[in-house]
Amino acid sequence: GENVEQHPSTLSVQEGDSAVIKCTYSDSASNYFPWYKQELGKRPQLIIDIRSNVGEKKDQRIAVTLNKTAKHFSLHITETQPEDSAVYFCAARPGGGKLIFGQGTELSVKP
Amino acid sequence: GAVVSQHPSRVICKSGTSVKIECRSLDFQATTMFWYRQFPKKSLMLMATSNEGSKATYEQGVEKDKFLINHASLTLSTLTVTSAHPEDSSFYICSARPGTGNTEAFFGQGTRLTVV
Repeated sequence: GENVEQHPSTLSVQEGDSAVIKCTYSDSASNYFPWYKQELGKRPQLIIDIRSNVGEKKDQRIAVTLNKTAKHFSLHITETQPEDSAVYFCAARPGGGKLIFGQGTELSVKP
Repeated sequence: GAVVSQHPSRVICKSGTSVKIECRSLDFQATTMFWYRQFPKKSLMLMATSNEGSKATYEQGVEKDKFLINHASLTLSTLTVTSAHPEDSSFYICSARPGTGNTEAFFGQGTRLTVV
């Protein structure tokens, strides 16, 4: 089955710096890759997603890149702010609608 | 966006009892819903796919007799934790999506289960 690996597990940056989180997946049938932000005790919130027919997508300070050949996708957050501090999860959808999540990255943005 | 509602948000139960968690899609129909389990500071682990009108599909290692799933209508799936034990304490969260294909998944608010 699908396996998603996410790195790093923790990331600390200064306010205004960029943050990059990387994921790899194993199942070449996966065709949808969302990124979620989760605050403690809350539901995951979709922040950006990308489909397998696209290589890059951007939404203001957030961008995602996908390399299908390498089975690799990354989240880029620019001009980080303290309110960006949270746990971020990548996920892959191998089919059937289910999502397989990465291990999560705890992002801390220091003022 | 679409709304998925989960109830209860918190529950405390005694060891040996059963607990039912409901997941409802409020403004769309869902032939499939998904149940995840999340331990503190850990990832969301897919437990099972709930299929309307048929048996759920469980992921490897998930005890189907322990975690009973029923999807009796297009807007409601239930997860029953049977004979709960302290190790079943966790955050359980469901998700559903309005259509097929690569559409966004919407999550319930989650249920914090504590077994004492």
